[in-house]
Amino acid sequence: SYELTQPPSVSVSPGQTARITCSGDALPKQYAYWYQQKPGQAPVLVIYKDSERPSGIPERFSGSSSGTTVTLTISGVQAEDEADYYCQSADSSGTYDVVFGGGTKLTVL
Amino acid sequence: EVQLVESGGGLVQPGRSLRLSCAASGFTFDDYAMHWVRQAPGKGLEWVSGISWNSGSIGYADSVKGRFTISRDNAKNSLYLQMNSLRAEDTALYYCAKVDSSGYYVWGQGTLVTVSS
Repeated sequence: SYELTQPPSVSVSPGQTARITCSGDALPKQYAYWYQQKPGQAPVLVIYKDSERPSGIPERFSGSSSGTTVTLTISGVQAEDEADYYCQSADSSGTYDVVFGGGTKLTVL
Repeated sequence: EVQLVESGGGLVQPGRSLRLSCAASGFTFDDYAMHWVRQAPGKGLEWVSGISWNSGSIGYADSVKGRFTISRDNAKNSLYLQMNSLRAEDTALYYCAKVDSSGYYVWGQGTLVTVSS
């Protein structure tokens, strides 16, 4: 079955740049979405269609795509950004081929 | 503002059934596909099932196919998940999610299902 691969953890100091990757063979053909999840809360969308930022999400959050890898970049990381981050995509254009990455725990040192 | 409120979770014995509900408001419910996504304790997100706006297209994850049934009632702005033959591995927080036109999810707060004897 299709998988999206994320690093289990990323650690950065406040003010630095965090980069979280998500790899999958179908990513050149399918959009990726990124969600932030804090403990005890539902996921919140931070990036859609690879690089679009929803209203209300700080500009320090950005997304990019290159080949089979998409990257969520958080510039000038703040303590409040500490959370789990999940990528979501699909392995084909089918409506029900939804796949999530395993999640990345971002720790702000 | 979009609101999705799940209910129906609880403690259930293995092999028994449970029906989850999701009450939607703040948007035109019958314009959108709806999905269920679950998250086992301390684990990642797992897509469970989805249904098109008019119930004409439905899909299930292999892990629940044949045991779970998704449905919706557009007149009541409600989404449902009938879960039969529950297993310990179905223990999770179950989220109802609206599929936005741009393809992303808008999430409810979830309802917890615990399968245990």
